[in-house]
Amino acid sequence: KAGVTQTPRYLIKTRGQQVTLSCSPISGHRSVSWYQQTPGQGLQFLFEYFSETQRNKGNFPGRFSGRQFSNSRSEMNVSTLELGDSALYLCASSLFTPTGTGESYEQYFGPGTRLTVT
Amino acid sequence: GIQVEQSPPDLILQEGANSTLRCNFSDSVNNLQWFHQNPWGQLINLFYIPSGTKQNGRLSATTVATERYSLLYISSSQTTDSGVYFCAVGYLSGGSYIPTFGRGTSLIVHP
Repeated sequence: KAGVTQTPRYLIKTRGQQVTLSCSPISGHRSVSWYQQTPGQGLQFLFEYFSETQRNKGNFPGRFSGRQFSNSRSEMNVSTLELGDSALYLCASSLFTPTGTGESYEQYFGPGTRLTVT
Repeated sequence: GIQVEQSPPDLILQEGANSTLRCNFSDSVNNLQWFHQNPWGQLINLFYIPSGTKQNGRLSATTVATERYSLLYISSSQTTDSGVYFCAVGYLSGGSYIPTFGRGTSLIVHP
């Protein structure tokens, strides 16, 4: 089974521009989450989409948005880029699995998109 | 929100040595994973372990949810084990789940 794919892998943008990142989850996984990783803040949750709906959201400004398509592929958009948006953006694909005591939620990460804002 | 502390922050080993990495969390969780981030940034899923003990080759993990900690054991370490190890925890309820990651343990294994 193919893993999570993210495109592009590297991106250089200028302040004020916008950027769109793409993520294709593992086949059959309906949940896609996005994370930002920086040396200063570590790994931070951006948002999660499930069946084309944003279900959970982290503490990021409205410049960060996303969407999910009917085939579960997801895109993340950052508008009006700032220098502080330079980071590794990671996408995770997840499958909710019923267990005897509830549900499990195991995440599988893509290789990431390294965004540099100059 | 949940606070997650990982220790030690940095670890340097000689090849063949054993190590224990710890993840403490401040609140009840029912979801916990360990990841290894390789030098290229890829996060690799090591264990899904909200409770109990699991083993996979030279790696094993134990989570004691009632005492709010998890341990990752690496035996006979190899240079390819180098990288950063993260734990991610959270409480899954009715589809609501926002995982919190620790700051990681950076491991360097020397030949």
